[in-house]
Amino acid sequence: GAGVSQSPRYKVTKRGQDVALRCDPISGHVSLYWYRQALGQGPEFLTYFNYEAQQDKSGLPNDRFSAERPEGSISTLTIQRTEQRDSAMYRCASSDNYNEQFFGPGTRLTVL
Amino acid sequence: SQQGEEDPQALSIQEGENATMNCSYKTSINNLQWYRQNSGRGLVHLILIRSNEREKHSGRLRVTLDTSKKSSSLLITASRAADTASYFCATVAGSARQLTFGSGTQLTVLP
Repeated sequence: GAGVSQSPRYKVTKRGQDVALRCDPISGHVSLYWYRQALGQGPEFLTYFNYEAQQDKSGLPNDRFSAERPEGSISTLTIQRTEQRDSAMYRCASSDNYNEQFFGPGTRLTVL
Repeated sequence: SQQGEEDPQALSIQEGENATMNCSYKTSINNLQWYRQNSGRGLVHLILIRSNEREKHSGRLRVTLDTSKKSSSLLITASRAADTASYFCATVAGSARQLTFGSGTQLTVLP
């Protein structure tokens, strides 16, 4: 069966540009999570949704970061006016039981 | 912020040996999970242990949890070259649903 998919897998952008990262969770999974992972570190929580409702956005680093999941399935993480410090692996995960989370392959974002 | 700290940061063993990784965390938890990350790939869930459990087994994996010491260990028995990966502990605490990860242990199993 299909797992969590993310697109694009790699994104190179220039400082100041906006980027949109997409996550397609496992069908039927209620919860969808966004994490950011720096090289050599564990993932850090950004935000999560139950269905279309954003439940917690306490991990978003500043107001340039936003996320939505309008129909309770696909989610988009948007970073406005990107900065070099935004370069990282952005990971999406979904879950149906508040236990294990299933992670996508990630989007590697490089801001030049 | 990182909740857990794994120890050691890196571990290199011979195939067939056992590998033990430790994780310490800071706050009371609901459950603790271990994930594996192969180079260049996604995170894969390995095992979950709840706060009222002390030990759990899954195949060649054995996890222990000591809530009084706020620590957990992951034992991989009879290691294989394919076990080479980064291993992360992650906790779920309070009413939160998200995972809080440690910094990981890089395990290398030499053939």
